Amino acid sequence: GAGVSQSPSNKVTEKGKDVELRCDPISGHTALYWYRQSLGQGLEFLIYFQGNSAPDKSGLPSDRFSAERTGGSVSTLTIQRTQQEDSAVYLCASSLAGPRETQYFGPGTRLLVL
Amino acid sequence: AQSVTQPDIHITVSEGASLELRCNYSYGATPYLFWYVQSPGQGLQLLLKYFSGDTLVQGIKGFEAEFKRSQSSFNLRKPSVHWSDAAEYFCAVGGSNYKLTFGKGTLLTVNP
Repeated sequence: GAGVSQSPSNKVTEKGKDVELRCDPISGHTALYWYRQSLGQGLEFLIYFQGNSAPDKSGLPSDRFSAERTGGSVSTLTIQRTQQEDSAVYLCASSLAGPRETQYFGPGTRLLVL
Repeated sequence: AQSVTQPDIHITVSEGASLELRCNYSYGATPYLFWYVQSPGQGLQLLLKYFSGDTLVQGIKGFEAEFKRSQSSFNLRKPSVHWSDAAEYFCAVGGSNYKLTFGKGTLLTVNP
């Protein structure tokens, strides 16, 4: 079946603009995760959804970052008033319910803020 | 707080040689441990995982890892490396809180 898909694959934006990143999880996966991969920080957890609710938003770096998930499926990560330090690869993963379940990762969205 | 240390940023081996990538973790309870591989321009792919039971786990592509609780380690091994194994390898720790904490990664170069 289809894996996790993310769009766009690349995004270039100007500092101060808002961006939306989309994630389509594997069908039937109730858990969805966002991570950020940057040169200086490695892979960082951002947020976790179980269904449409987000029990853990602890990794969101500032209030400029928000995420939602609708219909227990597609998720959108929004970054408002982007800054150059937001430049990174944003990875989405999905899994079946349960912390032992394998997280399957998408190819990521590469964000460059000029 | 949970954390993962991968002491080796970059490792170079010759094709056919054996490989060991080191991983040390810190976690307050029983850890769930994972190794992922990332090839250039690709997403992360799970190689293997450990939750409980036998401390030696087998994964895909001929990789294995051994959990050593006394050393807080989960090292990845392969007896004979292939050129296609060149990639970046990430160790991760998770638990009942669902989120994975990753190490900074080890970049593997394979010489012909």
